[in-house]
Amino acid sequence: NAGVTQTPKFRILKIGQSMTLQCTQDMNHNYMYWYRQDPGMGLKLIYYSVGAGITDKGEVPNGYNVSRSTTEDFPLRLELAAPSQTSVYFCASSPLTHDTQYFGPGTRLTVL
Amino acid sequence: GNSVTQMEGPVTLSEEAFLTINCTYTATGYPSLFWYVQYPGEGLQLLLKATKADDKGSNKGFEATYRKETTSFHLEKGSVQVSDSAVYFCALSDPSNQFYFGTGTSLTVIP
Repeated sequence: NAGVTQTPKFRILKIGQSMTLQCTQDMNHNYMYWYRQDPGMGLKLIYYSVGAGITDKGEVPNGYNVSRSTTEDFPLRLELAAPSQTSVYFCASSPLTHDTQYFGPGTRLTVL
Repeated sequence: GNSVTQMEGPVTLSEEAFLTINCTYTATGYPSLFWYVQYPGEGLQLLLKATKADDKGSNKGFEATYRKETTSFHLEKGSVQVSDSAVYFCALSDPSNQFYFGTGTSLTVIP
């Protein structure tokens, strides 16, 4: 099993550009999550999904969008990149609610 | 609202020293509690968890006990190794399926 995979690993964007961060899991988990991790800070939940076709906002959703058309994939979309979105983004999945989350390796995004 | 507070770092210890990283939480209802570890350049990995009061989670020599009366979940290890150097995160999940993470505590173990 590959677990949770994320692409790209690194990306530099200019202000106002758009991009999609990809996340795929092969564990057939219903629950998936997107977090951002700023330097010296904990993780903040951006969006989460409890199953295909169902998404919900987390603590810091502004400036982001998500979709969940399949169990495996949970892409995160940035429409108009801003310097405040410079961060490391982690995708995670979980088989059950309140259960262990399995994290991807992260995407380091810089917006200049 | 829900939140997790953990001790500030960085923490530097000599090999074989005793480790304690404090974690307290605020939550409604009965959350599950977790410790995750992050090695440099990697994502978080589950270290241990506890799902109800008085449960003790343990793994790789690390332990933490879910104390509802003090709303705490302190991480302990009797004898740390250089390979334990990492950032440790305390976290809780609430009945609405949201997770809340502490700010992380960086641990460096020197030989």
